[in-house]
Amino acid sequence: DAGITQSPRYKITETGRQVTLMCHQTWSHSYMFWYRQDLGHGLRLIYYSAAADITDKGEVPDGYVVSRSKTENFPLTLESATRSQTSVYFCASSDPTGGDYGYTFGSGTRLTVV
Amino acid sequence: RKEVEQDPGPFNVPEGATVAFNCTYSNSASQSFFWYRQDCRKEPKLLMSVYSSGNEDGRFTAQLNRASQYISLLIRDSKLSDSATYLCVVRMLGNEKLTFGTGTRLTIIP
Repeated sequence: DAGITQSPRYKITETGRQVTLMCHQTWSHSYMFWYRQDLGHGLRLIYYSAAADITDKGEVPDGYVVSRSKTENFPLTLESATRSQTSVYFCASSDPTGGDYGYTFGSGTRLTVV
Repeated sequence: RKEVEQDPGPFNVPEGATVAFNCTYSNSASQSFFWYRQDCRKEPKLLMSVYSSGNEDGRFTAQLNRASQYISLLIRDSKLSDSATYLCVVRMLGNEKLTFGTGTRLTIIP
């Protein structure tokens, strides 16, 4: 199906474990983003990518790693999960050449670190 | 000071009423403005862009005041289905990144 999909929808992991959240889009949008959303903070940018093999830090990158070997995929890895990384994670994509329409978001991954 | 500030609410409004939200932004280099809607436990979705001349989409009207650096959203004849959190969003000139406000929660009461 066309769109932007995230997996898994829900994940429970233990402190110290590595976990990877997946994001896949079918539009060939150049830009992709990872946000986390927490009560009282709203959406905060973790990392973003302007194209394959180009990534950059956002507001809260510590503890996270990203890669983008293909335009359509933008996985987010928590190298050693901590309880403070319990959050809802949203992936988004945009196409600046297609007009100023903001982002389209995936449906999110709810991550709990115990 | 936060880049984008909104009154968190909650706003509890009777069905059929008119409700208005304001949002202020701190960076005068902000170029693009949006309102997103987020339902409980769902992803944010674009409600409307905000243009300098103001724009309307059905019951929704968005206004931009660059001099005072604020954006507004007006909802007329509110429906139960309008209950959601409304996010104010800005983009800086030459930058694809969006900055989100923390959102204003609206509940329409039957």
